[in-house]
Amino acid sequence: KAGVTQTPRYLIKTRGQQVTLSCSPISGHRSVSWYQQTPGQGLQFLFEYFSETQRNKGNFPGRFSGRQFSNSRSEMNVSTLELGDSALYLCASSRDRSGNTIYFGEGSWLTVV
Amino acid sequence: AQSVTQLDSQVPVFEEAPVELRCNYSSSVSVYLFWYVQYPNQGLQLLLKYLSGSTLVKGINGFEAEFNKSQTSFHLRKPSVHISDTAEYFCAVSGSGGYQKVTFGTGTKLQVIP
Repeated sequence: KAGVTQTPRYLIKTRGQQVTLSCSPISGHRSVSWYQQTPGQGLQFLFEYFSETQRNKGNFPGRFSGRQFSNSRSEMNVSTLELGDSALYLCASSRDRSGNTIYFGEGSWLTVV
Repeated sequence: AQSVTQLDSQVPVFEEAPVELRCNYSSSVSVYLFWYVQYPNQGLQLLLKYLSGSTLVKGINGFEAEFNKSQTSFHLRKPSVHISDTAEYFCAVSGSGGYQKVTFGTGTKLQVIP
């Protein structure tokens, strides 16, 4: 069974640009969560989607957004990139919203220059 | 609300020695508990989980953890570490009823010294 797949794995963007990251959850999983990981802040929760609806949101500015499609695949978008957005963005999926185990992808490394 | 505390940010240990990584949590409801491992430049991999039943949980790569409800702890142990265990380890907790967000600790870097 394929795991959580994130694309692209690595990307470099310039300040002010926007970026879209993609996540394909494990087959049968309907909940997708996104996390930002940086050396200074650790793992920070961005948002969670279930059945194409955002169910929970972390403390990030409106430049960070996401969506989920009917096949449970999810995308997150960051607009007007800042240097501080450089991070590893991790997607995690779970079968439902019960908190009973989430599985992570390999992450997308974003560098903003 | 729930929280996770990993008191040790770094733990150096010699190869073949035992190791314990500490995790304490707080929650007002019954919990699920997890340990994840992150190798350099990779995502998080599930090591083991406690959902219910036996308080001693065995995971991959020879790791085990014990759920102690009275001490609200879920410490991770391995009797003999290997160089390949060098990684960062994250403890996580979620409530066990209805919708429950997963909360992560700040991580413990395990450095195995040859």
